[in-house]
Amino acid sequence: EVQLLESGGGLVQPGGSLRLSCAASGFTFSSYAMSWVRQAPGKGLEWVSVISGSANNTYYADSVKGRFTISRDNSKNTLYLQMNSLRAEDTAVYYCAKEVLYYFDDWGQGTLVTVSS
Amino acid sequence: AIQLTQSPSSLSASVGDRVTITCRASQVITSALAWYQQKPGKAPKLLIYDASSLESGVPSRFSGSGSGTDFTLTISSLQPEDFATYYCQQFNTYPLFGPGTKVDIK
Repeated sequence: EVQLLESGGGLVQPGGSLRLSCAASGFTFSSYAMSWVRQAPGKGLEWVSVISGSANNTYYADSVKGRFTISRDNSKNTLYLQMNSLRAEDTAVYYCAKEVLYYFDDWGQGTLVTVSS
Repeated sequence: AIQLTQSPSSLSASVGDRVTITCRASQVITSALAWYQQKPGKAPKLLIYDASSLESGVPSRFSGSGSGTDFTLTISSLQPEDFATYYCQQFNTYPLFGPGTKVDIK
């Protein structure tokens, strides 16, 4: 059974940093691209970033480019999202998701990031 | 950039009703379109991929169709557990989600 477990969310001040983690199990982690998708309170889904299985390729939404960094450690079956220069509009539940071709077939339960002073 | 719209944005329906949700793209897209169901406080769940392929374990009352710019998700007989928000998702340069359709109890 695929399991994705996010952690690292919390309350941070504007301009601050936070690192999210997503521990994966139940599948060959290194064989799949992984994404972060976020959802602001009461809003829809927004794709944030993707990393290839080998970690050779990364892509970002324009809204986070230059501030967020996605990475992975295939030896630890863990996905990361380093978030710097956080803004109020980054407040959201952040989900990690396993990607198959272009769609997301497994999701974590999400971790809440609140950016507020 | 491609934009996705969904209609209606919300609907009220009764158990047993046939429900159809439309996802429209601002330009012709491939059949690389997926549908997700999300219940409050929960992660999205994949229902349909490649416009019409049913994800394993998803009840057969869910179906998808469409091509070009217009796609539909149909629930043939709405069940109590189907009250949720539904999102379409397409991939062009990057994954893009529609704004969602909330299905609630009439």
